Amino acid sequence: GESVGLHLPTLSVQEGDNSIINCAYSNSASDYFIWYKQESGKGPQFIIDIRSNMDKRQGQRVTVLLNKTVKHLSLQIAATQPGDSAVYFCAEKGLSGGAGSYQLTFGKGTKLSVIP
Amino acid sequence: EAQVTQNPRYLITVTGKKLTVTCSQNMNHEYMSWYRQDPGLGLRQIYYSMNVEVTDKGDVPEGYKVSRKEKRNFPLILESPSPNQTSLYFCASSLGVNTEAFFGQGTRLTVV
Repeated sequence: GESVGLHLPTLSVQEGDNSIINCAYSNSASDYFIWYKQESGKGPQFIIDIRSNMDKRQGQRVTVLLNKTVKHLSLQIAATQPGDSAVYFCAEKGLSGGAGSYQLTFGKGTKLSVIP
Repeated sequence: EAQVTQNPRYLITVTGKKLTVTCSQNMNHEYMSWYRQDPGLGLRQIYYSMNVEVTDKGDVPEGYKVSRKEKRNFPLILESPSPNQTSLYFCASSLGVNTEAFFGQGTRLTVV
């Protein structure tokens, strides 16, 4: 079946640097993508989302880029802080159930470690 | 406070003993889902519900049941748990199809 995956399982960055977390997806018909952050012992927490009719969306210190040509999604975190250390998941809303379905497929996650 | 509440947070049970994990949200959300999270496999959707009395299978529905008799509650039922259902379970809710999902704190289930 279709799947959403991540290029790198772990990423270490220096505090203050920018972080880029990548995600490749294979369902070219997906129309909604989300990034989640999961801290140890907690449930996933929404960071930012993007619809397929956009190629860039910015939030507070975060930017999501969507490249539909190569089916690639990335999350950029500016001025990374120790509190950003967590596992980051991309998720894709699949269309297996039709336009009104709510089947989310998650990637396996990237662990971001921020070095003080 | 807007939240998704799961109970229990931790559960150890024996093979074959029926159990229910409850999930409740106070945001009047229509969409609710259950996921399991396993090392190396990420989050996989078990079942989801788009409204009261409307449920559908996710990627890994075998061995699970759900019900949606009222909007706020979406219990996950394991009729005959097996050790391969040992996992971390998350419930989530969202207002619409293309809106952010709010997750509960998780339920760590061990089946021996």
